[in-house]
Amino acid sequence: GAGVSQTPSNKVTEKGKYVELRCDPISGHTALYWYRQSLGQGPEFLIYFQGTGAADDSGLPNDRFFAVRPEGSVSTLKIQRTERGDSAMYLCASSQWGTQYNEQFFGPGTRLTVL
Amino acid sequence: AQSVTQLDSQVPVFEEAPVELRCNYSSSVSVYLFWYVQYPNQGLQLLLKYLSGSTLVKGINGFEAEFNKSQTSFHLRKPSVHISDTAEYFCAVSVWSNFGNEKLTFGTGTRLTIIP
Repeated sequence: GAGVSQTPSNKVTEKGKYVELRCDPISGHTALYWYRQSLGQGPEFLIYFQGTGAADDSGLPNDRFFAVRPEGSVSTLKIQRTERGDSAMYLCASSQWGTQYNEQFFGPGTRLTVL
Repeated sequence: AQSVTQLDSQVPVFEEAPVELRCNYSSSVSVYLFWYVQYPNQGLQLLLKYLSGSTLVKGINGFEAEFNKSQTSFHLRKPSVHISDTAEYFCAVSVWSNFGNEKLTFGTGTRLTIIP
């Protein structure tokens, strides 16, 4: 079956602009995660959705970052007034949800470059 | 809070030689442990995981790892590497949080380069 998809694969923008990054999770996965991977670093957690609600947004770096998942499937990560330090690979993952471990399946990522 | 340390940022290994990639973690509670592989311009793929039970876990592509609670380590090994193993490898931990999720905490990664 289809895996997690992310669009666009690459995004180049100018400092101060607004960007949206999209994630299509695996069908039926209720849990969705966003991570950010800066150059030479491991991925860092940004936000977690359970269904339509953001259950844990403790990893969002500041209020310029926002994410939505209005229908409990596709999610959009929104970055306002982009800064050069926002340049990174943004990864999305989805999983089933339950009281036991559920593997997170990762998408190929969106590489964001802020000039 | 949890943390993961991968001391080796780069590991060059000759083809068909054995390799060990080191991972140490810190946590005040029990954790799940993972190794992920990332090929160029691709997302992360799960290699193997330790949830409970046997401390020696086997994964895909001939990799295995051993959980050592006393040393808080989860080193990754392969007895004979191939050119196709060239990639970035990430160790990660997760715990069940109050939010009902298992967010992953990653190390900084180890770049494995196989030398023909």
